[in-house]
Amino acid sequence: EIVLTQSPGTLSLSPGERATLSCRASQSVSSSYLAWYQHKPGQAPRLLIYAASNRATGIPDRFSGSGSATDFTLTISRLEPEDFAVYYCQQYGSSPWTFGQGTKVEMK
Amino acid sequence: QVQLVESGGGVVQPGGSLRLSCAASRFIFSNYGMHWVRQAPGKGLEWVAFIRYDGVNRYYAESVKGRFTISRDNSANILYLQMNSLRVEDTAVYYCAKGGIGTHRYMDVWGKGTTVTVSS
Repeated sequence: EIVLTQSPGTLSLSPGERATLSCRASQSVSSSYLAWYQHKPGQAPRLLIYAASNRATGIPDRFSGSGSATDFTLTISRLEPEDFAVYYCQQYGSSPWTFGQGTKVEMK
Repeated sequence: QVQLVESGGGVVQPGGSLRLSCAASRFIFSNYGMHWVRQAPGKGLEWVAFIRYDGVNRYYAESVKGRFTISRDNSANILYLQMNSLRVEDTAVYYCAKGGIGTHRYMDVWGKGTTVTVSS
């Protein structure tokens, strides 16, 4: 099983600032099959990025993903008020599919 | 717009059973693999099970293997999760999610979830 470790656990930032979230895998993720999701309380999670760097339909270009093998990054270039949420990375290169423990982006 | 609506959650005693359903609409259900994902109170997301578009291949998290069964009815556009021998630690919001195209088995559309509480 591939274990995903996200850091930091919490990121305290202000609107307009840049957010950099990290996701490290315990072994190489096949074909860079790594996704990022945004999750707000009481809502369904939302797919942001798939295959490490591809934005999902309708996702603003302030969200970007990068990385390969065991190290991946989600960057939010300028935080908007609606971006404060919990973010999860997930690998789907091999079963069992696994999620990281999440990074909470909170307003400073 | 693609829609997924879960139902069937509730309160059940340890050792009991529940069957969750997920009604899919506005996409060709039979073309896509489908997932169940859960979130226990105060915890993160946990993948539970996946079924291929044709129902031939099914995969399970170790924590539910042998107790849960994922299935689908492509004629009715419904995904199911049969949960047996339920444990307190199965308490969670259960989401169904649509898989991506081909081998891209990410979750690109999610339902709003249904709550399962296992308690005596």
